[in-house]
Amino acid sequence: EDQVTQSPEALRLQEGESSSLNCSYTVSGLRGLFWYRQDPGKGPEFLFTLYSAGEEKEKERLKATLTKKESFLHITAPKPEDSATYLCAVQEYNFNKFYFGSGTKLNVKP
Amino acid sequence: DAGVTQSPTHLIKTRGQQVTLRCSPISGHKSVSWYQQVLGQGPQFIFQYYEKEERGRGNFPDRFSARQFPNYSSELNVNALLLGDSALYLCASSSGTGDYGYTFGSGTRLTVV
Repeated sequence: EDQVTQSPEALRLQEGESSSLNCSYTVSGLRGLFWYRQDPGKGPEFLFTLYSAGEEKEKERLKATLTKKESFLHITAPKPEDSATYLCAVQEYNFNKFYFGSGTKLNVKP
Repeated sequence: DAGVTQSPTHLIKTRGQQVTLRCSPISGHKSVSWYQQVLGQGPQFIFQYYEKEERGRGNFPDRFSARQFPNYSSELNVNALLLGDSALYLCASSSGTGDYGYTFGSGTRLTVV
């Protein structure tokens, strides 16, 4: 059973067209939920950590929110340089394991 | 400051061989994790080490092993390589406190032929 599911798999936006990426998870004890950005051929780049339902964090055009079963990454007025794969990961409390989703590949066209 | 460094960047091995991948964490970071990323998928957790002790293990066979040294660098060893072991192997480090954000290296691209 997948612990982390991201949707959509791919998203094409026009520059300035805001949207949201979804990450749903099923781990029993959540220690933290992480968002990363990954460019082709590179390692993931850390964006946010969220710990509890209701928490929100922002960075430039990105805003991450967390509920008990899912997280959203909102992208406001995206630019072409925001094009990348966005990965969500959860860390289980008891077993100290990390589970990544398959990512959402975002393409922002000028 | 240097980020997380991994070596080698690329290598090609034959089925049945053994491989050792190396990782140097950010200075001051005591936690190192290893991941396998197959093309088109998210990273799969292999191991986490903190203060030289194994703190977490993913669902990988015993052919995969790792260790962390007193200087907090780490090695990932894979024995009896299979074609399916071909992937990008990522190392990530963290201070182990605070935000728990992990900084990733650029990875080692392993191809098994």
